[in-house]
Amino acid sequence: DIQMTQSPSSLAAFVGDRVTITCRSSQSIANYVNWYQQKPGQAPKVLVYAASTLQNGVPSRFRGGGSGTDFTLTISSLQPEDFATYFCEQTYRTPWTFGQGTKVEMK
Amino acid sequence: QVQLQQWGAGLLKPSETLSLTCAVYGGSFNDYYWTWIRQSPEKGLEWIGEITHSGSSTYNPSLRSRVTLSVDTSKNQFSLIMTSVTDADTAVFFCARGRRSDYHYFIDAWGNGTTVIVSS
Repeated sequence: DIQMTQSPSSLAAFVGDRVTITCRSSQSIANYVNWYQQKPGQAPKVLVYAASTLQNGVPSRFRGGGSGTDFTLTISSLQPEDFATYFCEQTYRTPWTFGQGTKVEMK
Repeated sequence: QVQLQQWGAGLLKPSETLSLTCAVYGGSFNDYYWTWIRQSPEKGLEWIGEITHSGSSTYNPSLRSRVTLSVDTSKNQFSLIMTSVTDADTAVFFCARGRRSDYHYFIDAWGNGTTVIVSS
């Protein structure tokens, strides 16, 4: 299986901060990475697919990047509704696998 | 706007069989990958498998021997059967809709999740 390693596992930030989350795959996966946001008690919600394509309706402050083995999700200006847990997912080869999550908390 | 409504038994004893069903309301049933994912503190998010409207399925090899996915196109429903559960199967189980866009696959709709607890 392809392993996805996220960092950091958690971070604390202020509203308005720029936040970057990193995901590294155990082998090259081109741009077959998705990013999801999950709030407590809810299912995840896709933000970005194909590494950098923003899903319809997702605010432009979210940006995905990277290819090969290293990927990033950047929130350009953190908003109160962005405090949540973020997951990367690889869809290069089944079984699809997820990172362990990055919890973004309010500082 | 698609909605996925899932149900099934939430409390099981070890060795019992887990059965979950997900109904799809709105949108096409034919163009997507009907997916099961579970989430636990120990394992995080784990993809269980997916099935198409025609019954073509793909499974996570780690669970393949215990899992069966099925689909009922007459009701726009799909189901998960997991046999011989253990406490390691305790998790929130989500049904979900996978879609492809330019060869890229992602989940664009989720059920609310069913908490499954395995305990003697």
